[in-house]
Amino acid sequence: QSVLTQPPSVSGAPGQRVTVSCTGSSSNIGAGYDVHWYQQFPGTAPKLLIYKNNNRPSGVPDRFSGSKSGTSASLAITGLQAEDEADYYCQSYDNSLKQGVFGAGTKVTVL
Amino acid sequence: EVQLVESGGGLVQGGGSLRLSCAASGFTFSSYWMSWVRQAPGKGLEWVACIKEDGSEKYYVDSVKGRSTISRDNAKNSLYLQISSLRAEDTAVYYCARYCGGDCSADYWGQGTLVTVSS
Repeated sequence: QSVLTQPPSVSGAPGQRVTVSCTGSSSNIGAGYDVHWYQQFPGTAPKLLIYKNNNRPSGVPDRFSGSKSGTSASLAITGLQAEDEADYYCQSYDNSLKQGVFGAGTKVTVL
Repeated sequence: EVQLVESGGGLVQGGGSLRLSCAASGFTFSSYWMSWVRQAPGKGLEWVACIKEDGSEKYYVDSVKGRSTISRDNAKNSLYLQISSLRAEDTAVYYCARYCGGDCSADYWGQGTLVTVSS
């Protein structure tokens, strides 16, 4: 059971905006630790998508954005495209476990 | 270009041991914490172990503590993970990642190596 809770799946039509939530607690996101997001296609390695809550590495399209508030964070995909169909994971640090922790992942489906 | 290439996975009997390797290139390996992260079939990501730049600090997830050793050879730009007393629940793809294991992001990942533990 992950300490960061994500919905198992979200879906949207091409062009729509979808959000993926990541809910933590006072020992991780709520304690002020950064949230990072990863994109993973089947059979491939995860790729860093958003770092430090709302920063995009070079090459990541600006339709991907991140935000954080309180004990939760969100990944938004605006102008959803077929190529965005993948699994998305949030990650933060937990000061009770004293280690980095991942959410269980959310499958984004483009209808 | 940063590259991380894992090797050493395979089929191993329960109770056995395995040594995974990761060859790094394209960056100053000795300047970064490194980690192993695993993903069981159809499951999410789990940080396994991390090691400081000079190897002086090492940390492990509780489930592998005491039966795993992470190490590195900065002269060879290589990262290693030795796991013994392997269990069925250790079956996973093991990724080498440029990641401190704590309050930071994993900015580069290898392609992974599959470890299958048979009972």
